[in-house]
Amino acid sequence: KAGVTQTPRYLIKTRGQQVTLSCSPISGHRSVSWYQQTPGQGLQFLFEYFSETQRNKGNFPGRFSGRQFSNSRSEMNVSTLELGDSALYLCASGNSGGSTDTQYFGPGTRLTVL
Amino acid sequence: QKEVEQNSGPLSVPEGAIASLNCTYSDRGSQSFFWYRQYSGKSPELIMFIYSNGDKEDGRFTAQLNKASQYVSLLIRDSQPSDSATYLCGYNFNKFYFGSGTKLNVKP
Repeated sequence: KAGVTQTPRYLIKTRGQQVTLSCSPISGHRSVSWYQQTPGQGLQFLFEYFSETQRNKGNFPGRFSGRQFSNSRSEMNVSTLELGDSALYLCASGNSGGSTDTQYFGPGTRLTVL
Repeated sequence: QKEVEQNSGPLSVPEGAIASLNCTYSDRGSQSFFWYRQYSGKSPELIMFIYSNGDKEDGRFTAQLNKASQYVSLLIRDSQPSDSATYLCGYNFNKFYFGSGTKLNVKP
């Protein structure tokens, strides 16, 4: 099976702009989670989608939003970018989203905000 | 208190030695636990998952889970320089929680 794919792999934006990141999960997986990873904060959970519904949400401002489509592909949007949004954004897919589910990460999108 | 606590390291071990990585977690109801390896500039890669108390072995890797003590560890036998990476511990309890990772250096 093909792994989790994320596009684009690299992005450079300026403050105030918005950005949309895309994630395609492993075929058959219905759960998609998004994480922000920075050297100082580690892996921070953004949100999780399962069957097109947001099931969990982390402690991020409303500028961060997401959605999931019927084919399980997911997008994440960040509006009004700030310098502190520079990070590696990781998408992870899981099969059932249940308590014994495992997650597989995509390669990530490296976002730089200037 | 963080949900997952890990020593940030770096943990340095000589090639061929056993590397021992430790993790404590806060939610007693947690059912599944994971170890991910992350090379610099790459995304985390799942290397072990464990659900039951006790040991689980996979090649050179052994995960140990003690739910009563809320403690999970990862042993890497015959450590190789290619094992040098950051190791993230995590668990799944309604959603996934991850530690900040322990950096492991295996010296040739």
